[in-house]
Amino acid sequence: ETGVTQSPTHLIKTRGQQVTLRCSSQSGHNTVSWYQQALGQGPQFIFQYYREEENGRGNFPPRFSGLQFPNYSSELNVNALELDDSALYLCASSLGQGEHQPQHFGDGTRLSIL
Amino acid sequence: GQQLNQSPQSMFIQEGEDVSMNCTSSSIFNTWLWYKQEPGEGPVLLIALYKAGELTSNGRLTAQFGITRKDSFLNISASIPSDVGIYFCAGQPVTGGGNKLTFGTGTQLKVEL
Repeated sequence: ETGVTQSPTHLIKTRGQQVTLRCSSQSGHNTVSWYQQALGQGPQFIFQYYREEENGRGNFPPRFSGLQFPNYSSELNVNALELDDSALYLCASSLGQGEHQPQHFGDGTRLSIL
Repeated sequence: GQQLNQSPQSMFIQEGEDVSMNCTSSSIFNTWLWYKQEPGEGPVLLIALYKAGELTSNGRLTAQFGITRKDSFLNISASIPSDVGIYFCAGQPVTGGGNKLTFGTGTQLKVEL
């Protein structure tokens, strides 16, 4: 139990729709990172938020966007959903963004696009 | 996106056997981590390595940070049924990476009773 909670656990959407996923970080953790995990693959880094500012982005298009709130919780928004967006979306929190701050993951949101 | 190369991709072992898996990269990493993921759950941190050559243990698990900073291995001794799952290595890049992670392709471990 990492203390990182994500909602919803499962979600079904259709192509072209928009979706918002939510994450509550572990108590005291001010850094949240989002990852996309396709079936049979390792997680891929989407972006990271540190103290409400985006702090690095992976190779994902602008229709993937996010927010971090003053309580350090975070949202991932995806617009114009495509079939390839079907994946497990993982949130991870850490005590800072430094190299010696390991990330702890939630159990993810399983997003299915029809 | 980039993924680290893990081998083997999957393995069946007998309960009580020792297990070894490794992870390689074409790039240098500052930190190596090993995670385990079970069905329906997120990855759980097993071991973190912060220095080239470092050897760290966590119970029956031992991991090493390669001297070249381009590889790492994980050993599990005396495997038990609850070791079943997918093991991922993850590295933190050297340049401007902070603690953002690049993951491996995973090693699926199955234990025969």
